[in-house]
Amino acid sequence: DIQMTQSPSTLSASVGDRVTITCRASQSISSWLAWYQQKPGKAPNLLIYKASSLQSGVPSRFSGSGSGTEFTLTISSLQPDDFATYYCQQYNSYSRTFGQGTKLEIK
Amino acid sequence: EVQLVESGGGLVQPGGSLRLSCAASGFSFNSYWMGWVRQTPGKGLEWVANIQQDGSEKHYVDSVQGRFTISRDNANSLYLQMNSLRTEDTAVYYCARTALCGGDCYGTFDIWGRGTVVTVSS
Repeated sequence: DIQMTQSPSTLSASVGDRVTITCRASQSISSWLAWYQQKPGKAPNLLIYKASSLQSGVPSRFSGSGSGTEFTLTISSLQPDDFATYYCQQYNSYSRTFGQGTKLEIK
Repeated sequence: EVQLVESGGGLVQPGGSLRLSCAASGFSFNSYWMGWVRQTPGKGLEWVANIQQDGSEKHYVDSVQGRFTISRDNANSLYLQMNSLRTEDTAVYYCARTALCGGDCYGTFDIWGRGTVVTVSS
């Protein structure tokens, strides 16, 4: 199976900050990578697919980049609603796998 | 409103069985692959199984292969039959819709239910 590793595990930031989360795949997944946001007690919400395509309804301050084995999710200017846990997910193979998550906390 | 509602979770002893159900509404259920994803505090999110629109193709994570069976019917319902349950199957189980966008998002999950809790313990 393809392993997905996110860094950092926890990130402390302030409203208005620009933040970047990294996701690395154990083998090349081309651009078949998605990002999700999850808030406590809620299901994940799809933000980005195919590494850089914004899902409908997602604010433009979210962006994704990368290909092959290294990917990033960037939030250009943090808003109070953005403090949550973020997960990457590969869909290069039928055996989908998620990263372990990055918790974005208020500094 | 597009909605997925899971049911059937509960407490079961190791070795026991449980059947999860997911009722879909607000979209053309027969047009989408569907899946189950589970979440534990320790292991995070884990994809469990997927099923094609007509039920002819199914895929499972290795850890449940041979124990779990995913299925669907024409009444807008998705199921997960879980047999030979283990303590490590304890999790919140989400029903999720595979996204459609011309192929680029195929394999992602754009609609999720609220989840149902499965606890395997003696």
